[in-house]
Amino acid sequence: ELKVEQNPLFLSMQEGKNYTIYCNYSTTSDRLYWYRQDPGKSLESLFVLLSNGAVKQEGRLMASLDTKARLSTLHITAAVHDLSATYFCAGPYTGTASKLTFGTGTRLQVTL
Amino acid sequence: AAGVIQSPRHLIKEKRETATLKCYPIPRHDTVYWYQQGPGQDPQFLISFYEKMQSDKGSIPDRFSAQQFSDYHSELNMSSLELGDSALYFCASSLVSGGPGNEQFFGPGTRLTVL
Repeated sequence: ELKVEQNPLFLSMQEGKNYTIYCNYSTTSDRLYWYRQDPGKSLESLFVLLSNGAVKQEGRLMASLDTKARLSTLHITAAVHDLSATYFCAGPYTGTASKLTFGTGTRLQVTL
Repeated sequence: AAGVIQSPRHLIKEKRETATLKCYPIPRHDTVYWYQQGPGQDPQFLISFYEKMQSDKGSIPDRFSAQQFSDYHSELNMSSLELGDSALYFCASSLVSGGPGNEQFFGPGTRLTVL
């Protein structure tokens, strides 16, 4: 049974600071997904990481994937208040119509 | 761009009642997934359909059933509702046979409250 673990579970950071969220998963997967969720809202797809060594960046967020270590990271650069949300990693990809198993989520709070 | 549509957005039911949630996937998407998210929890996979056939099943109670219709929309039927069924229910869709990554796009969710 796949397990997806994120840490930290809660992160309070000041605007302008950098931080990394870690996502470890327990079974082989060549792709990993990151989603953002605002309270009571839907899940917004942020990144689809398709291979070992994949790195994607969008604005102040950068995600990477190391399939050998079964580790993905979401790095936040110079945080701003608008990034406050819960971030989930999810995987694995096991084939056609593969379900997602989500991590526990990291609730990010960016303070002024 | 068209997104996943879910209805209703909010639903209040009494214990032991039934509820039907509807999902309209992004046009041309061939796969639909249902997830349940309790308060403060991560989404849990319930069931999925690929080309109108059930493709995977997760921790879905026997009281729940779902199907995908010829127009690819899907319905989640929930009977004998319990207080613990109160949650956000998300539908997601993807295009398995094309596009990289099998990316799932989520609808806005249906908030079900059981009293």
